[in-house]
Amino acid sequence: EIVVTQSPATLSLSPGERATLSCRASQSVNNYLVWYQQKPGQAPRLLIYDASSRATGIPARFSGSGSGTDFTLTISSLEPEDFAVYYCQQRRNWPLTFGGGTRVEIK
Amino acid sequence: EVLLVESGGGLVQAGGSLRLSCAASGFTFSNYAMTWVRQAPGKGLEWVSSIGGSVTNTNYADSVQGRFTISRDNSKDSLFLQMNSLRAEDTAVYYCVKGGGYGTYYFDYWGQGTLVTVSS
Repeated sequence: EIVVTQSPATLSLSPGERATLSCRASQSVNNYLVWYQQKPGQAPRLLIYDASSRATGIPARFSGSGSGTDFTLTISSLEPEDFAVYYCQQRRNWPLTFGGGTRVEIK
Repeated sequence: EVLLVESGGGLVQAGGSLRLSCAASGFTFSNYAMTWVRQAPGKGLEWVSSIGGSVTNTNYADSVQGRFTISRDNSKDSLFLQMNSLRAEDTAVYYCVKGGGYGTYYFDYWGQGTLVTVSS
């Protein structure tokens, strides 16, 4: 099983700041890495697939990078609606696995 | 507009069974893999099971293998999850999710979720 580890667990930032979230896989997943955003009481929303492709309707301030085992989600300038929990997921191998999440909170 | 509407959740005793359903609309259902993802209260996301568009391939998390069965009815645009021998640790919101592209397993649309509570 590919273990996916996200860091940090919590990121405290102010609106307008840059957010950098990390996701590391225990073995190479090539570029088969996905990012989701989840707000309280809501289902997750797809942000980025295949490491760097933005999903339909996702603002350009969200970007993904990386390959192999190390990946990054960057939010260039935090908007109030971006404070949420972010999960990464590998789809390289079965079982599909998610990271434990990074909470981006208002400082 | 893509819509996924789950039903069938509820309160069940440990050892019991439930059958979840998901009604899909707004896309050609048979062309896409479908998946169940769950989230225990206050916890992260956990993949449960996936089924290919043609129904021939299914995959399960070790935690549910042998107890849960995923199926689909492409004639009715519906996805199902038969859950047997339920345990307290199966308590979660269960999401029906659509694969992002033909044969791919990233999830571009999610249902609102249905809560399954297993009492011990």
